[in-house]
Amino acid sequence: QVQLVQSGADVRRPGASVKVSCKASGYSFTKYTLSWVRQAPGQGLEWMGWINPYNDNTESAQKFQGRLTMTTDTSTDTAYMELTNLTSDDTAVYYCARDVSGSLDSWGPGTLFTVSS
Amino acid sequence: DIQMTQSPSSLSASVGDRVTITCRASETISNNLNWYQQKPGKAPSLLIATSSSLQRGVPSRFRGSGSGTDFTLSISSLQPEDFATYYCQQNSSTPRTFGQGTRLQIK
Repeated sequence: QVQLVQSGADVRRPGASVKVSCKASGYSFTKYTLSWVRQAPGQGLEWMGWINPYNDNTESAQKFQGRLTMTTDTSTDTAYMELTNLTSDDTAVYYCARDVSGSLDSWGPGTLFTVSS
Repeated sequence: DIQMTQSPSSLSASVGDRVTITCRASETISNNLNWYQQKPGKAPSLLIATSSSLQRGVPSRFRGSGSGTDFTLSISSLQPEDFATYYCQQNSSTPRTFGQGTRLQIK
């Protein structure tokens, strides 16, 4: 079955960057895009962007442009999300999700990272 | 960006009740609307895609409808496992915005 396994929780200082990994299994990795979604503590869901592992095309929400980099490694079926210049507002659980024509049908368990001085 | 507005933001109901959650888009999105369920401490899960397409394994008591700007999620007979937070999401255009969520609590 489809499985997405994410890297573990992390803590970063303001101004630092973080990279979250998402390893896919159970399906053809290059057949579907992957979206990244975050959820601040006690808040709702926020879509960040998607990447197409087939051709590395990406699209991201304007608020993250310049800070968000999404990449994939098709040799290991792993997607990566890097966010730079972190502030406390970036403290959240970050999810990767398989994106089937805009519907997020399988989700990773989430990665919590905390931005704190 | 397309704004998605859910109502109500929270809802109290009893096991066996029928409930309806609405989601309104700030512009027309055809049927490009998904519904997700999220339980505390867990990742969301897709319930309904393209407004009314029930995902495999989702009980038939869940029903989605709507097109254009107005959508509804109905649960016909609440079960204990249905108490969760529900989100709508449009995938008509990027950014693929979510509604703010509806928290369904036990009365």
